[in-house]
Amino acid sequence: KNQVEQSPQSLIILEGKNCTLQCNYTVSPFSNLRWYKQDTGRGPVSLTIMTFSENTKSNGRYTATLDADTKQSSLHITASQLSDSASYICVVSSNDYKLSFGAGTTVTVRA
Amino acid sequence: DARVTQTPRHKVTEMGQEVTMRCQPILGHNTVFWYRQTMMQGLELLAYFRNRAPLDDSGMPKDRFSAEMPDATLATLKIQPSEPRDSAVYFCASGLVLGFGEQFFGPGTRLTVL
Repeated sequence: KNQVEQSPQSLIILEGKNCTLQCNYTVSPFSNLRWYKQDTGRGPVSLTIMTFSENTKSNGRYTATLDADTKQSSLHITASQLSDSASYICVVSSNDYKLSFGAGTTVTVRA
Repeated sequence: DARVTQTPRHKVTEMGQEVTMRCQPILGHNTVFWYRQTMMQGLELLAYFRNRAPLDDSGMPKDRFSAEMPDATLATLKIQPSEPRDSAVYFCASGLVLGFGEQFFGPGTRLTVL
């Protein structure tokens, strides 16, 4: 069964600090992995999309990594800001275009 | 600026009533997706369309849900009859590339079935 597990479930960090979110998956075959940011009451917004051959991809202060061998991905947030408070969702796509969603990590940034 | 729009934003209805949610994808996007999000299940893909044709609706309860694209600027998701367990936020997303390239999400319709 294709699964995507995210950790931690939630975290609280101080403004200006860094944090790393984890995503482990068992989806096979693998097509791509995405990270979305979802603000409360809004639709998800794509941060990064990575295919099998990509190890890292950045979008501003967000950097995603992918290890296709161990089936792990991480999302690193640098110098967090209050606007980074949101839910971050890992989504993995298999070659038959089926999507598997993680439950998300809720990040709270405090001043 | 181009964005996906959804109506209504909120809907409260009674069990057994018909509910229709509408989505206007970004102009020029040929792929449209319907998702449902709940606290318990997270995000679930219900159906997706390419060039207005339904490609996969296996995530949707067939007996009460139906999704259509009457034209390239309108996608609809209908529930008939609605049940309390259908209470969720329903998102529409559109994109340009099949194979799940970047998708742009609408603001969602929050449905409450009493």
